[in-house]
Amino acid sequence: NAGVTQTPKFRVLKTGQSMTLLCAQDMNHEYMYWYRQDPGMGLRLIHYSVGEGTTAKGEVPDGYNVSRLKKQNFLLGLESAAPSQTSVYFCASRLGWRGRAGTEAFFGQGTRLTVV
Amino acid sequence: SQQGEEDPQALSIQEGENATMNCSYKTSINNLQWYRQNSGRGLVHLILIRSNEREKHSGRLRVTLDTSKKSSSLLITASRAADTASYFCAIYTGANSKLTFGKGITLSVRP
Repeated sequence: NAGVTQTPKFRVLKTGQSMTLLCAQDMNHEYMYWYRQDPGMGLRLIHYSVGEGTTAKGEVPDGYNVSRLKKQNFLLGLESAAPSQTSVYFCASRLGWRGRAGTEAFFGQGTRLTVV
Repeated sequence: SQQGEEDPQALSIQEGENATMNCSYKTSINNLQWYRQNSGRGLVHLILIRSNEREKHSGRLRVTLDTSKKSSSLLITASRAADTASYFCAIYTGANSKLTFGKGITLSVRP
């Protein structure tokens, strides 16, 4: 079982370039999340999805777009990268509501993105 | 803004001692979760406590939740050098399905 897989693991972009980060999960989870982690800031929620075809904004959505065309994939796009988007990006997934008050999240290993 | 705030920001203890970490939050929650992150790795779930629970145990972990004070604590007993990591609390608010994290606590366990 692969769990949550993020690609790529590392990337260097020039300012203004675009790219897409892919998150894939094989656990049939309904909820998926994108976070960024910066020193001293912890994890901040960028966007999330509660099911195929749905997306919602998190705490820091500006400069990012997402899509969830298939249940197992959650894509994070940067249309015009800026140095402020240099960060480590984490994807997570979790099972949806099943009559219990929530379930734990499973994380990918992260994507280290540098924008120069 | 981030919902959970951990305290202290950093903790250094000797192997064998207990480590206590605290988390405070601002809104109503469905559950509160604790995660661990080793350097350069993704987060790993440790324990989840629901809003109607007050205490939960898992191995050397003990978590408490006080919804009246909007706070939780994580206790790691008989710490080991391998417990050295960053620890995060996460707040799940069922109304909007967000799972938000605090800034984390850096725990160093000296051999």
